Amino acid sequence: GAGVSQSPSNKVTEKGKDVELRCDPISGHTALYWYRQSLGQGLEFLIYFQGNSAPDKSGLPSDRFSAERTGGSVSTLTIQRTQQEDSAVYLCASSSGTGGISSYGYTFGSGTRLTVV
Amino acid sequence: AQSVTQLDSHVSVSEGTPVLLRCNYSSSYSPSLFWYVQHPNKGLQLLLKYTSAATLVKGINGFEAEFKKSETSFHLTKPSAHMSDAAEYFCVVSLTGFQKLVFGTGTRLLVSP
Repeated sequence: GAGVSQSPSNKVTEKGKDVELRCDPISGHTALYWYRQSLGQGLEFLIYFQGNSAPDKSGLPSDRFSAERTGGSVSTLTIQRTQQEDSAVYLCASSSGTGGISSYGYTFGSGTRLTVV
Repeated sequence: AQSVTQLDSHVSVSEGTPVLLRCNYSSSYSPSLFWYVQHPNKGLQLLLKYTSAATLVKGINGFEAEFKKSETSFHLTKPSAHMSDAAEYFCVVSLTGFQKLVFGTGTRLLVSP
C-alpha cells in the first residue's frame, strides 16, 4: 500500500491476556520500527528491524514484549500477560534507509490504541 | 546520551499570528534533528529535518526551523498560523548514522479564530 498500515486501530483487552499488534510497512522499506506513546509522553523506542540483521531489542520494557518480522515485511508485536501500564498507542514506522537515517524520514502508521482494563 | 527538551507542553496562538515552538537538544556528537507533527487520530508526519547542511531548514506547510549549535536549540517557527496547524508537534534527535529517534514529550499547538 501507499502507507504504513497497522491493525487493529483500537484494542481493549483484560489484564493478563496476550495481545498481538500488526504492522504492514511500505513495500520495499527494509527498516521497521516500533514505538510506544503513552498519554502525555513522547515516543518511546521499542525495537528496530533492518533487513535480515538481528533486531535491536534494546527498547523493549520487559520480557513480556516480543516482536518478529516475517519475510522482511509484516511485523507483529506481542505483549504477553498485559498489565494496565501497557496501555498506550503503539506506533510502527518504516524507512528505506539502510545506514544512517539522516537522509531519510520515517513514515509512521496511525497506530494501535491499546487499553488494558 | 542524546535527548530533547520541548519547553512548552501547550502553545496557544490566534490565527494569522506567528508560531514559535521551542526545542533544546543534548547530544555529544553531531545530531540529526527533526520536527514531526501529529494531527488527532492521524499518524506522525515529518515536517522538516536538519542534517548538518544549511542551518535554516524549510519544511512543509510554511514551517521552518533554525539549528543553533551555540544555543543547542532547534526551534520551529511559522510566520502566520492557520487553523489547520492545530496539532501535536514533536522535536526529535538522532545521532547521524544511527537509527533510533529520541522524541521530546511534545507541544500541543492550539489555534483560535
